[in-house]
Amino acid sequence: GQQVMQIPQYQHVQEGEDFTTYCNSSTTLSNIQWYKQRPGGHPVFLIQLVKSGEVKKQKRLTFQFGEAKKNSSLHITATQTTDVGTYFCAGPGGAYDKIIFGKGTRLHILP
Amino acid sequence: KAGVTQTPRYLIKTRGQQVTLSCSPISGHRSVSWYQQTPGQGLQFLFEYFSETQRNKGNFPGRFSGRQFSNSRSEMNVSTLELGDSALYLCASSWTGGYGYTFGSGTRLTVV
Repeated sequence: GQQVMQIPQYQHVQEGEDFTTYCNSSTTLSNIQWYKQRPGGHPVFLIQLVKSGEVKKQKRLTFQFGEAKKNSSLHITATQTTDVGTYFCAGPGGAYDKIIFGKGTRLHILP
Repeated sequence: KAGVTQTPRYLIKTRGQQVTLSCSPISGHRSVSWYQQTPGQGLQFLFEYFSETQRNKGNFPGRFSGRQFSNSRSEMNVSTLELGDSALYLCASSWTGGYGYTFGSGTRLTVV
């Protein structure tokens, strides 16, 4: 079945450093979604990318969707302590587009 | 507008018991999906309901079941609980499925 893989699993960065997480799907995706889950919280939808090669920005966050629509990345510039959490990518797959989540990248910020 | 509401927030059950979890989606959302989240396995898809019909099902044993009512509210049932069922159960809703989800705060189930 379809798989969505994320790397790295964990990332520790100094506050102010940049951070990138990568997502790869075993199949072509109609769209890719990104979620953030704060410690003790629930996943919160950040963004959805639909077009091949699409790049979207939200303040310090930059999201990219690969040309083949099988990979994506999330880049955070100059991390802040509020960026702590786990970032998940997710994509529709199977009948009726159930959403498959990657295992997430847990971001720790060192002050 | 109100978000996705899950009840109860916390549950402690004994092995062998059964449990029912409830999810009220955002008004107008017809797709409700359920996920199990554990530290080691991430977000595992349980099932998705749309207009009272189960459209998708994950790879969970038959002890896990669900349903959706005409008002789009959904319930999830786990029978004959096992220790390994301890997890955060998340419900997510969307207009049609396949697009951005809104998650509820989850029900944290502990089986002892």
